[in-house]
Amino acid sequence: AQSVAQPEDQVNVAEGNPLTVKCTYSVSGNPYLFWYVQYPNRGLQFLLKYITGDNLVKGSYGFEAEFNKSQTSFHLKKPSALVSDSALYFCAVRAYTGRRALTFGSGTRLQVQP
Amino acid sequence: DVKVTQSSRYLVKRTGEKVFLECVQDMDHENMFWYRQDPGLGLRLIYFSYDVKMKEKGDIPEGYSVSREKKERFSLILESASTNQTSMYLCASSFSITNTGELFFGEGSRLTVL
Repeated sequence: AQSVAQPEDQVNVAEGNPLTVKCTYSVSGNPYLFWYVQYPNRGLQFLLKYITGDNLVKGSYGFEAEFNKSQTSFHLKKPSALVSDSALYFCAVRAYTGRRALTFGSGTRLQVQP
Repeated sequence: DVKVTQSSRYLVKRTGEKVFLECVQDMDHENMFWYRQDPGLGLRLIYFSYDVKMKEKGDIPEGYSVSREKKERFSLILESASTNQTSMYLCASSFSITNTGELFFGEGSRLTVL
């Protein structure tokens, strides 16, 4: 079985400061890893993904994430937070083989204060 | 752009009613998915389909069924709605199994069962 843990329900950061949203995963074999963002009353929007290759992945809106195989982590980062980044963020995983559906974490609410 | 359309944004139903949630995608995707989203639980997979008339159970299929008669349409059916099925329902689609599995989501259908 595959699973995702997002240990923080909410992350608060001041505008202009760097932000990190944590994610750890469990999967058999090599993972595909994803981050999605959800704005109020909307569906999920894709931010970035790790498939293979460089451990640092860059995505939309200035976000990036670092894949760490030994720590089974895929933390989302941004060097300078914006108020408009305030939203709900989901990490997701699937294995290279097996079930083709993504398994999602419980979500982390990011609040960026002006 | 990929478009995933869910027929109803908001529904209010009574206990015991049969409920249909419809989802249509316009990019000829092979895979379609139904998730439900609840606060603190993230997204949980109900059912998915990788071809017309094919379906597989997800993690929480009890109380639900699905129908995929055409490639572009995937319906979620609540045979006899109960109050614990009050939730946000998200439909998603993706390319074939050989793709990395990135999902494209609809805007969601918020169901309230009274």
